[in-house]
Amino acid sequence: GAGVSQSPRYKVAKRGQDVALRCDPISGHVSLFWYQQALGQGPEFLTYFQNEAQLDKSGLPSDRFFAERPEGSVSTLKIQRTQQEDSAVYLCASSLAGSNVLTFGAGSRLTVL
Amino acid sequence: QKEVEQDPGPLSVPEGAIVSLNCTYSNSAFQYFMWYRQYSRKGPELLMYTYSSGNKEDGRFTAQVDKSSKYISLFIRDSQPSDSATYLCAMSAVTDKLIFGTGTRLQVFP
Repeated sequence: GAGVSQSPRYKVAKRGQDVALRCDPISGHVSLFWYQQALGQGPEFLTYFQNEAQLDKSGLPSDRFFAERPEGSVSTLKIQRTQQEDSAVYLCASSLAGSNVLTFGAGSRLTVL
Repeated sequence: QKEVEQDPGPLSVPEGAIVSLNCTYSNSAFQYFMWYRQYSRKGPELLMYTYSSGNKEDGRFTAQVDKSSKYISLFIRDSQPSDSATYLCAMSAVTDKLIFGTGTRLQVFP
């Protein structure tokens, strides 16, 4: 597609529910990143894929967070047993191989009640 | 202490003013320096990209990097109300993971 597409744009979850956030990167972009952006803060790195391989997951805050990109294209970020502190905007970005010029999606805003 | 420090603002200036936005950093391995602009409820979009030290100009925007001081700046000339947004500095040591500042909220009033 023309840009990075994320869905849903807005998600409200009750504490303890599981959520799944989807990212559809730019066609041909090998690298895919997930960032978490809390209100009034800059994006914080969560995890990075090159094709289907998850090369860095050092930013995932707990084992409740899981990301996958099984066919090297669409990626899903899953958060199990959501907590209030998980409330944030989750940004997905993609880039060409070896490039650190990231193109971001509009984000998925998660609110945990 | 965070690797990248950025004054969160908000910064409010009249239309036509020169705006100066700054970041400091602690990791001397950073080589790539960027500025992203983020409008409300949108994702960040790349504004300026600089490798190593020096200046880069693009229209009304000038990016400066001083690696000896670990200090980067973005200047906006003849600021417009449409420049009202949050400006995020970002940097990396290798060509993948970007580290962002907290962002500076800028408001340009007519």
